[in-house]
Amino acid sequence: DQQVKQNSPSLSVQEGRISILNCDYTNSMFDYFLWYKKYPAEGPTFLISISSIKDKNEDGRFTVFLNKSAKHLSLHIVPSQPGDSAVYFCAAAGGTSYGKLTFGQGTILTVHP
Amino acid sequence: EAQVTQNPRYLITVTGKKLTVTCSQNMNHEYMSWYRQDPGLGLRQIYYSMNVEVTDKGDVPEGYKVSRKEKRNFPLILESPSPNQTSLYFCASSPNMVGETQYFGPGTRLLVL
Repeated sequence: DQQVKQNSPSLSVQEGRISILNCDYTNSMFDYFLWYKKYPAEGPTFLISISSIKDKNEDGRFTVFLNKSAKHLSLHIVPSQPGDSAVYFCAAAGGTSYGKLTFGQGTILTVHP
Repeated sequence: EAQVTQNPRYLITVTGKKLTVTCSQNMNHEYMSWYRQDPGLGLRQIYYSMNVEVTDKGDVPEGYKVSRKEKRNFPLILESPSPNQTSLYFCASSPNMVGETQYFGPGTRLLVL
């Protein structure tokens, strides 16, 4: 039972345009969400996070939106750059243990020059 | 340099032959965790540890063991590996339970024949 889902396996975007990556979750106990970026042959690196007390968090070109009623979050990258091409994972935590982190399947983002 | 190291980076083994993947961090982090990455399934947490001698199951603990006898090390043990444990494994550490400060190691690619 996949509690965190990224339904788009891949996304292709032109340089300078907006990239929108989506993530849905089913567990209503989740209250902290994170996005990680992963390049081939490397471990994931943290990108941005949001707690359930907020509905938006920005960090430079990256913005994460959280819609608790829809159990949906999205990552916006504006403007997209070729160096943003990577696999993006969303992850969620909460409930009885904040040590447990549940990831989505990942979305491969390709930004074309 | 702050880092999480894993050894070995690549391993080919046969079914049933016990193996250990080591993980070490030099940041004095309390929290450590193991994940596996599989195509179409994303990252899945195997075990995590919130401090020395404190470990707990993630989403896919079956077939794995861990120990946390000292803060810097968190080895992953496969007592009797099977082909379905062929995967890319990541160790991570963080000063707190979960969140943006989680540092990932470079990964260990395991093939079980």
